[in-house]
Amino acid sequence: GAVVSQHPSWVICKSGTSVKIECRSLDFQATTMFWYRQFPKQSLMLMATSNEGSKATYEQGVEKDKFLINHASLTLSTLTVTSAHPEDSSFYICSARDPRVSGEQYFGPGTRLTVT
Amino acid sequence: DAKTTQPTSMDCAEGRAANLPCNHSTISGNEYVYWYRQIHSQGPQYIIHGLKNNETNEMASLIITEDRKSSTLILPHATLRDTAVYYCIVRVWTGGATNKLIFGTGTLLAVQP
Repeated sequence: GAVVSQHPSWVICKSGTSVKIECRSLDFQATTMFWYRQFPKQSLMLMATSNEGSKATYEQGVEKDKFLINHASLTLSTLTVTSAHPEDSSFYICSARDPRVSGEQYFGPGTRLTVT
Repeated sequence: DAKTTQPTSMDCAEGRAANLPCNHSTISGNEYVYWYRQIHSQGPQYIIHGLKNNETNEMASLIITEDRKSSTLILPHATLRDTAVYYCIVRVWTGGATNKLIFGTGTLLAVQP
């Protein structure tokens, strides 16, 4: 299957700072990427859909000013958690749709964010 | 997209077949059944999907009932590395950019030595 990478794999930041997470599709161009968040022992929750060259579409209840998404190229989407707080500590996972394979979605390995 | 119901957890002996059920009684005619799994602290991994016919690939088989209201994912020879949470998802596939995967609670499959 296609490969999606995330960077960093884990990050610790102080409360009030911002942190950026990158999601890359390594061997295909993805016009659409998705960002999920997962708390311990819970399922994945879709945060937003990221479309190349246009604004992201956020799910209900997700603050777009806090979770900034940029999809500036066909292989890169970034999620910036602004003014992070301890309650933002979570596992953030991106996925990218591969248009070559009936648009199947492939997931990145995830980024563990800890806000102290 | 239709809602799915899966058992919270299941055990399976190593080397035996693991049969994971999923109910999707409100599935529409144009909705596909997808299976993903998530090994602890990793991103989900695609397993298989189907519309109405049974499907098989190198990882698993998917059996969909004739009325399409339920399905079973079969791992023919489970190994310890198959221990994971398995998610059954139904969704419309139109090829459009708005299609998205919504995850339920899934089934935690524990393969026992």
